[in-house]
Amino acid sequence: GQQLNQSPQSMFIQEGEDVSMNCTSSSIFNTWLWYKQDPGEGPVLLIALYKAGELTSNGRLTAQFGITRKDSFLNISATIPSDVGIYFCAGRRTGANNLFFGTGTRLTVIP
Amino acid sequence: NAGVTQTPKFQVLKTGQSMTLQCAQDMNHNSMYWYRQDPGMGLRLIYYSASEGTTDKGEVPNGYNVSRLNKREFSLRLESAAPSQTSVYFCASSGGNQGYEQYFGPGTRLTVT
Repeated sequence: GQQLNQSPQSMFIQEGEDVSMNCTSSSIFNTWLWYKQDPGEGPVLLIALYKAGELTSNGRLTAQFGITRKDSFLNISATIPSDVGIYFCAGRRTGANNLFFGTGTRLTVIP
Repeated sequence: NAGVTQTPKFQVLKTGQSMTLQCAQDMNHNSMYWYRQDPGMGLRLIYYSASEGTTDKGEVPNGYNVSRLNKREFSLRLESAAPSQTSVYFCASSGGNQGYEQYFGPGTRLTVT
């Protein structure tokens, strides 16, 4: 199946620091999405990207659609305790209706 | 506007038992999806329905069946549960700017003993 490599697998960050995570694929994607999942909940959509090079922000979160169309990046600035959770990337290939998901980055914020 | 709802929230089955997981969305989305989530595996697509009346297999369809009952509802059935089907199951529907943004329900935690 489609492989989406997400890194890092986990991060331990001091409150107030900035974090970056990324997702790479072996195929070209036309859509990249970033989700956050809290314990016991379903994933919640954070940012959707549709064009190579696109940079989109949602509050303290910024995501970019890589120029090669094989990667995407998510940055969180000035982390706070409620940023704790698992962040997933997801991508869609041309002509496909479904998404492929990365294995997630688990973020821990230390107060 | 409840978004995507799933029932039940928790379920314990014995090997060989059957059950149906229910999903409904009130966002008027055409496409709906069933995923399973296992530790360290991310979300894997079981089945999806691009529109009312159509269903297609995803990455891990074996042991499951689905029914798109109408535009709102998409159910997942386990005919003979196996311990390997112990997982968290998520339903999603898609819409948004270009129709590819998926919105998830709260999940069903299934244990098969």
